[in-house]
Amino acid sequence: DADVTQTPRNRITKTGKRIMLECSQTKGHDRMYWYRQDPGLGLRLIYYSFDVKDINKGEISDGYSVSRQAQAKFSLSLESAIPNQTALYFCATSDSGLNSNQPQHFGDGTRLSIL
Amino acid sequence: GNSVTQMEGPVTLSEEAFLTINCTYTATGYPSLFWYVQYPGEGLQLLLKATKADDKGSNKGFEATYRKETTSFHLEKGSVQVSDSAVYFCALKGRGSQGNLIFGKGTKLSVKP
Repeated sequence: DADVTQTPRNRITKTGKRIMLECSQTKGHDRMYWYRQDPGLGLRLIYYSFDVKDINKGEISDGYSVSRQAQAKFSLSLESAIPNQTALYFCATSDSGLNSNQPQHFGDGTRLSIL
Repeated sequence: GNSVTQMEGPVTLSEEAFLTINCTYTATGYPSLFWYVQYPGEGLQLLLKATKADDKGSNKGFEATYRKETTSFHLEKGSVQVSDSAVYFCALKGRGSQGNLIFGKGTKLSVKP
């Protein structure tokens, strides 16, 4: 979805480095999510946010942190990267709305490799 | 807790073949069910959804029916095309779960001309 932009698209870094992945959206959605995708494991939720400064842990939050300082932006940080955090990371957004079944809209992903 | 199980791939079909990708779920109450598709190099896109028992979601020739009695939401298409080659994810959202999706592990489909 072109309205959900992730930067960078690809990143290679070394163990122990601090990494920040950015996500911005122009859909005006209040809810934002970070997932990681690993082969054979599907998508797993790292953190999610329902509003500015609202932060909630997902299934696999250890080793990650997030920041939501503006409605349109949701950043994911790895304070000290380790090789098993090598994965494809996706940001997603959704609208709360009156219909609780609003779909999630995904960015194109960030491929992160930690050596 | 809530979970989704979908058939393992990869699935390889010839063009115009019939497609079924099985998906079953475990959930308390009555979740909403979704199929997402991921084309190579892209993020996930919603393909179809169903929000209550016996609902049928459909889009782009794909269909899936919410079967409460068998806790299933199998994806079907009568005649696949090469352009349908992608990874397909079944997902559920439980009632009151505040919008969080639980995904299956994905099924990779390759369609040969």
